[in-house]
Amino acid sequence: NAGVTQTPKFQVLKTGQSMTLQCAQDMNHEYMSWYRQDPGMGLRLIHYSVGAGITDQGEVPNGYNVSRSTTEDFPLRLLSAAPSQTSVYFCASSYRRISEAFFGQGTRLTVV
Amino acid sequence: DAKTTQPPSMDCAEGRAANLPCNHSTISGNEYVYWYRQIHSQGPQYIIHGLKNNETNEMASLIITEDRKSSTLILPHATLRDTAVYYCIVGSSGTYKYIFGTGTRLKVLA
Repeated sequence: NAGVTQTPKFQVLKTGQSMTLQCAQDMNHEYMSWYRQDPGMGLRLIHYSVGAGITDQGEVPNGYNVSRSTTEDFPLRLLSAAPSQTSVYFCASSYRRISEAFFGQGTRLTVV
Repeated sequence: DAKTTQPPSMDCAEGRAANLPCNHSTISGNEYVYWYRQIHSQGPQYIIHGLKNNETNEMASLIITEDRKSSTLILPHATLRDTAVYYCIVGSSGTYKYIFGTGTRLKVLA
C-alpha cells in the first residue's frame, strides 16, 4: 500500500493561475479531506468528502473547488491563485468517520 | 464541534514520561478525543483516540477524566524522536470535521 499520495510536492504559481493538487489513496477509504497549514498554525479544513460524488465545505473553502468521482481520488482545484493561498496543503483519508486518518506528505505551494 | 485548549509548549527529559494535557470543556456526549502529532513539516500522524474510557496502544496512553472535560496523552518513555507538535482534537461522530488547534510543541531533551 502506498497510503495517501499527494502530487506535486512543491509548486510555484503566479497570481491568477489555476492548478489542481492531486490526492490519491489506495486503502479504499470512504472519507477524504483537504487541509491547509500556514506557518506556525494548525491545520484548517478546506473541503471534505464522505464518499464518491459527495463533498462538503470545511472552515476555509473560498477559492477552492473539489470533486470526488472515484473512491481513490480527491483533487483540489485552485481557481485563480492568490498570494494568500501560499501554504502547505495536506490530504487525508480514513475508513470510517470515527477512525484514524492517514495524511499525505503535503504539497508546498507558493503563489507569487 | 467542541474546541480544545492546549499549552503551547512543553519540555520533557529523554526517557521520562511526557504528559500532555488538553482541555475540551464543551465536549458533547458523542464526540471522541483524538491525538495526532506532526514531526517537522510532515503530514500529521495518528496516535490514539477515545470516547470515555482510558485507552492504550503501542505508542501512548490516553486518560480521559470522568466528566470528559479534559484528557492527558502520556508518552511513557519519551525519546528524541518524539519531539513534535501534538494536536488534541475533538471529532463528532455525526460529521467528518476535525478542528485542529495550534497544538503543543513538545521538545524532548537529551
